[in-house]
Amino acid sequence: DAMVIQNPRYQVTQFGKPVTLSCSQTLNHNVMYWYQQKSSQAPKLLFHYYDKDFNNEADTPDNFQSRRPNTSFCFLDIRSPGLGDAAMYLCATSPTGAGGADTQYFGPGTRLTVL
Amino acid sequence: GQNIDQPTEMTATEGAIVQINCTYQTSGFNGLFWYQQHAGEAPTFLSYNVLDGLEEKGRFSSFLSRSKGYSYLLLKELQMKDSASYLCAVRDSNYQLIWGAGTKLIIKP
Repeated sequence: DAMVIQNPRYQVTQFGKPVTLSCSQTLNHNVMYWYQQKSSQAPKLLFHYYDKDFNNEADTPDNFQSRRPNTSFCFLDIRSPGLGDAAMYLCATSPTGAGGADTQYFGPGTRLTVL
Repeated sequence: GQNIDQPTEMTATEGAIVQINCTYQTSGFNGLFWYQQHAGEAPTFLSYNVLDGLEEKGRFSSFLSRSKGYSYLLLKELQMKDSASYLCAVRDSNYQLIWGAGTKLIIKP
């Protein structure tokens, strides 16, 4: 089945120790998104890619970086995780990122714990 | 600013009907989405409305009034597995999704 895959599902890191989260998709969608979601809050968009065109949200901290080496894969790098970065990180894809019924499909998420 | 409002929590009884409301103020409108999110899991797509009126999909229906900036999600014949958070999201003029914080629905036997 076509899907969005995130690895790992659970990640524990130490304060200040860099961590990389990965996302892959078999949907061949053009757009990939990274969201941060904390308990009982709305998902917060960090970045998105239209193909290779990177779009950074204005309030995304510099501590967060992203790479998309090809259509299928996207990575989220947190250079120096702080306690406030503990959250669920959601990867999503959509076919075009345009209008109409273009819908975002989510991976299962990676829950990040910072010790 | 852009804003999506939903009740924080609702409780309903198994077998009953529940309506979850969503009001929005956004920079432009290019469609409204409802997602279901079980605790600790990712959101899954439920419905999409871009024109006024009711969209029905099995036990779930979603209604939109663009003039009122209002939508609701109607869940019929509630089952215990419907216990989840329901997120309303609006696509704005830049084709970005503006998300609500979600409504946690608790189903009681």
